[in-house]
Amino acid sequence: TQLLEQSPQFLSIQEGENLTVYCNSSSVFSSLQWYRQEPGEGPVLLVTVVTGGEVKKLKRLTFQFGDARKDSSLHITAAQPGDTGLYLCAGGDSGNTPLVFGKGTRLSVIA
Amino acid sequence: KAGVTQTPRYLIKTRGQQVTLSCSPISGHRSVSWYQQTPGQGLQFLFEYFSETQRNKGNFPGRFSGRQFSNSRSEMNVSTLELGDSALYLCASSGTGLSYEQYFGPGTRLTVT
Repeated sequence: TQLLEQSPQFLSIQEGENLTVYCNSSSVFSSLQWYRQEPGEGPVLLVTVVTGGEVKKLKRLTFQFGDARKDSSLHITAAQPGDTGLYLCAGGDSGNTPLVFGKGTRLSVIA
Repeated sequence: KAGVTQTPRYLIKTRGQQVTLSCSPISGHRSVSWYQQTPGQGLQFLFEYFSETQRNKGNFPGRFSGRQFSNSRSEMNVSTLELGDSALYLCASSGTGLSYEQYFGPGTRLTVT
């Protein structure tokens, strides 16, 4: 069974601080997605990475896929209250198998 | 393009009853997946439909069922509701033949009393 472990589970920081959240597995994935979910809403896709070592940037968010395609990280620079939410990573296998989701990191950015 | 829509948004049911939830995917998307989200277990995969056929199924009891119509709209049904079925039920559609890059609806919050 493929599992994705996210850490930390909870993170509370001040506005302007930097942070990194992690998504780790012992399994290899062909793709990895990051989603952000706000209270009362469904997750919103932020990025997909498919190549080992790939780095993608989305404004102040930097996503990296591990070289072995078993792990990923999300780094946020100068966090803002609008970054508050539940960050979920999800791993995809080749073919038509369902995504495997981590349990998420709940981020709170305090103004 | 309009996003994924789910109805109803909120639902309160009594133990033993059944419930049907509806999902309309993004226009042109043929894959629809259903998930159950609870604080303790996170997002758990229920099933996926593609072109009216169930393509994948998660580890849930037979009380949970679904179907997809020719216009790609999907419904899921839960029979004989239990207190533990209280959760946010999320529907997601995908535009490619592969299951990644899911586009989620806002969810249906089901409370079983």
